[in-house]
Amino acid sequence: KQEVTQIPAALSVPEGENLVLNCSFTDSAIYNLQWFRQDPGKGLTSLLLIQSSQREQTSGRLNASLDKSSGRSTLYIAASQPGDSATYLCAVRLSGNTGKLIFGQGTTLQVKP
Amino acid sequence: EAGVAQSPRYKIIEKRQSVAFWCNPISGHATLYWYQQILGQGPKLLIQFQNNGVVDDSQLPKDRFSAERLKGVDSTLKIQPAKLEDSAVYLCASSLAGNEQYFGPGTRLTVT
Repeated sequence: KQEVTQIPAALSVPEGENLVLNCSFTDSAIYNLQWFRQDPGKGLTSLLLIQSSQREQTSGRLNASLDKSSGRSTLYIAASQPGDSATYLCAVRLSGNTGKLIFGQGTTLQVKP
Repeated sequence: EAGVAQSPRYKIIEKRQSVAFWCNPISGHATLYWYQQILGQGPKLLIQFQNNGVVDDSQLPKDRFSAERLKGVDSTLKIQPAKLEDSAVYLCASSLAGNEQYFGPGTRLTVT
C-alpha cells in the first residue's frame, strides 16, 4: 500500500530564505508526482508535475526533484516571500492505476516579513 | 477557460441530516474525482468517474455516501445520514484522460 509522508508538518522562515520541503513515498512504482499549493479555505493549485522518467521540474522560483529509487521528492523554494505562505501538498499517482492520487498530509509554510 | 465549479462553498448541518454537493468539471474532461480532506490531512479519494461510469469507489462509505454523474458532465455527492466525522472539505477535481487533475474550491462541511 502506497504511503506518502511530508516532513516537516509546519515550517516558519524569514522572508528571503531558500527552503526545502520534503516528500517521501513507500512504493517506487509511480506514474508521476505532483506538488500542490493550498491556501486557507481554497482548493488545490498545481505547482509542478514530474513524470516518473524525469528528475526535476522548474517553474520560476520553484524547483521539484524526484528520486524514485529512494522514494523521495523535494520542493525547493528560492528567495521565499510572504505570499508563499500556504500549505504545500505532494501527491503520487501509481503506475497502471486510473489516475488516483495518494496525498501526503502537507507542510504548512509561514514566511515572515 | 473556466475551472472546476463547486457549490455550495459552505454547509452546516446537524448529525443525521442529509446533504448534497454539486460539481461541474472543466468542459471536455471525462474523468471526475471526489476527494475528502479532513482538517490537517491530505485529500483522500472517495470516488472516481470516467464519463458516466464508476472507476474506483473503494474508499466511499457506501452505507451513507452516494454519488452520481449523469450524462457524463455534472456530478453530485450525497451524505445521508451525516455523522460528526464527516466534517471535512469535499473537493472535486477533473482531468483529461486521467492526466493532470484540476481542483475546484471545495465545499466545507460542518456537522454539529
